[in-house]
Amino acid sequence: DTGVSQDPRHKITKRGQNVTFRCDPISEHNRLYWYRQTLGQGPEFLTYFQNEAQLEKSRLLSDRFSAERPKGSFSTLEIQRTEQGDSAMYLCASSSQGAGTGELFFGEGSRLTVL
Amino acid sequence: DQQVKQNSPSLSVQEGRISILNCDYTNSMFDYFLWYKKYPAEGPTFLISISSIKDKNEDGRFTVFLNKSAKHLSLHIVPSQPGDSAVYFCAARRTSYGKLTFGQGTILTVHP
Repeated sequence: DTGVSQDPRHKITKRGQNVTFRCDPISEHNRLYWYRQTLGQGPEFLTYFQNEAQLEKSRLLSDRFSAERPKGSFSTLEIQRTEQGDSAMYLCASSSQGAGTGELFFGEGSRLTVL
Repeated sequence: DQQVKQNSPSLSVQEGRISILNCDYTNSMFDYFLWYKKYPAEGPTFLISISSIKDKNEDGRFTVFLNKSAKHLSLHIVPSQPGDSAVYFCAARRTSYGKLTFGQGTILTVHP
């Protein structure tokens, strides 16, 4: 399977704990995106990388959220001191600059439940 | 500020008939529009796109229409099939390969 993969698929944690999600993009894609989706809403942009550079970060992303893409391949999204409002599906997507229509290819998501 | 809006939360259609999903946007800087389909427990998958220099793009049973003056686009599915039942998201971007801004989604149910 050469699609976008995310790990873990499900995470249940207690309020105040830290969680980390990993995303492995399609290998030849240099752009990587993180989105968050809550019930009844569309995906909401969090941040994106071109290679290892974080080019844009949503103002909705609090200081408790941090994302990295250290070698321009996989990426991690960490949430510190989780709150119940962080419960959502976290989606990762990748795309290739300059190829095709530039559509984003999404992974299956990591569902976070904060108790 | 919801820059991309899908005002119909759900749509129910009979198999074989046309499904029309609508989307409105407010940001005139958007120049590329995409439709995604999402099944439960899966990530969104790309369906069809249209550039702002066009007013129609067709791919098999799927056609997207863009009305720039009205800031409105629609997705037509003809004929609709039960396998088309899913959540459909409209998305827009300002540059060819930048981030996407999504609408809230429309749940399409196609009845046999």
